[in-house]
Amino acid sequence: GPKVLQIPSHQIIDMGQMVTLNCDPVSNHLYFYWYKQILGQQMEFLVNFYNGKVMEKSKLFKDQFSVERPDGSYFTLKIQPTALEDSAVYFCASRPTANSDYTFGSGTRLLVI
Amino acid sequence: GDSVTQTEGPVTVSESESLIINCTYSATSIAYPNLFWYVRYPGEGLQLLLKVITAGQKGSSRGFEATYNKETTSFHLQKASVQESDSAVYYCALGEMNYNQGKLIFGQGTKLSIKP
Repeated sequence: GPKVLQIPSHQIIDMGQMVTLNCDPVSNHLYFYWYKQILGQQMEFLVNFYNGKVMEKSKLFKDQFSVERPDGSYFTLKIQPTALEDSAVYFCASRPTANSDYTFGSGTRLLVI
Repeated sequence: GDSVTQTEGPVTVSESESLIINCTYSATSIAYPNLFWYVRYPGEGLQLLLKVITAGQKGSSRGFEATYNKETTSFHLQKASVQESDSAVYYCALGEMNYNQGKLIFGQGTKLSIKP
């Protein structure tokens, strides 16, 4: 079936630097999500995005985080500046309507050193 | 708050044996909880295995089944006879899909290994 692609699959970055995680959602999907999973812990909701706006964000979505999807291209999660506790796997998901099933990507493993 | 707790892994089961992965939930802020089982095979993204949106109903897929029990707040995953290809990480999740935010609350995942 259609897939959500996440680029890159792995990223290592120095603390304090900026990182952008890219998500290529399914083409006709309108709702976009980021989830974060720290090693050994649960996958947790970060943010959802619809019609060019953040609809809801969790307390994990710090001020250093931002999301956008300029001109229907990649849905991105930017972290600026990064901190050690941002090390995690970040999963992107999309769906066509508000009550459809999600399609998840395989995740980007981010290591902040 | 809202939370999901599931069997702590890793779990190892012999091929053709039966399987149960326990899942219990707390849904204090969700009026009409929907329950899900997702699976992640090695190297792949999370896939929906089955879902149940109405309490008392059973969902099934690929030989797996789970019943949404509102009284015991449980949604245990069962399979009568596992196969080696069932080796994966299984996640129980809680959500409210008709709500326009529709975020999911996940359990910690249960890594299942099948012994041939």
